[in-house]
Amino acid sequence: NAGVTQTPKFRILKIGQSMTLQCTQDMNHNYMYWYRQDPGMGLKLIYYSVGAGITDKGEVPNGYNVSRSTTEDFPLRLELAAPSQTSVYFCASITRGGLARNEQFFGPGTRLTVL
Amino acid sequence: GENVEQHPSTLSVQEGDSAVIKCTYSDSASNYFPWYKQELGKGPQLIIDIRSNVGEKKDQRIAVTLNKTAKHFSLHITETQPEDSAVYFCAADNRAGNQFYFGTGTSLTVIP
Repeated sequence: NAGVTQTPKFRILKIGQSMTLQCTQDMNHNYMYWYRQDPGMGLKLIYYSVGAGITDKGEVPNGYNVSRSTTEDFPLRLELAAPSQTSVYFCASITRGGLARNEQFFGPGTRLTVL
Repeated sequence: GENVEQHPSTLSVQEGDSAVIKCTYSDSASNYFPWYKQELGKGPQLIIDIRSNVGEKKDQRIAVTLNKTAKHFSLHITETQPEDSAVYFCAADNRAGNQFYFGTGTSLTVIP
């Protein structure tokens, strides 16, 4: 299993540009999450999904959009990039329900800079 | 929503000594408390977790304790080694159990 994969690893955007951060997991997890991590801070939840076709906002959703058309993929869309979106973005997945352990598996992250 | 506070923000210990990191949470309905280790340039990785019906859990050199009444939980690392140097995060789930709130992290340095 590759686990959780994210692309790209690094990206520099100009203000107002748009981009999609890709996230794929091959563990058949039903829950997926997008977090951002700013320097010296913990992870803040942007959006999450409890299954294909279902998404919901987290703590800091403004300026982002997501979709979940398949169990495996959970892309994060930035429509009009702003300097405040400079951060490291992590995707994570988890299986919940029954006796499943709540371990979140994280991807390696995407470092985004908006200039 | 849930609020998780973590202390200290930095911690330096001599190799072989113990390290303790403490977290508090605000929502008494939180049920699950994981601890993550994040190495430079990588995503967080779960190292130990505890549920609200358990007071203590141990896995080799690491242990976690939970005080539900006081709403705080702690990570204990004994016999620290240089490879324990990393940033450690605590977290708590929300009332519905479908979201996680993270502390601000503790940068642990183990001095050889």
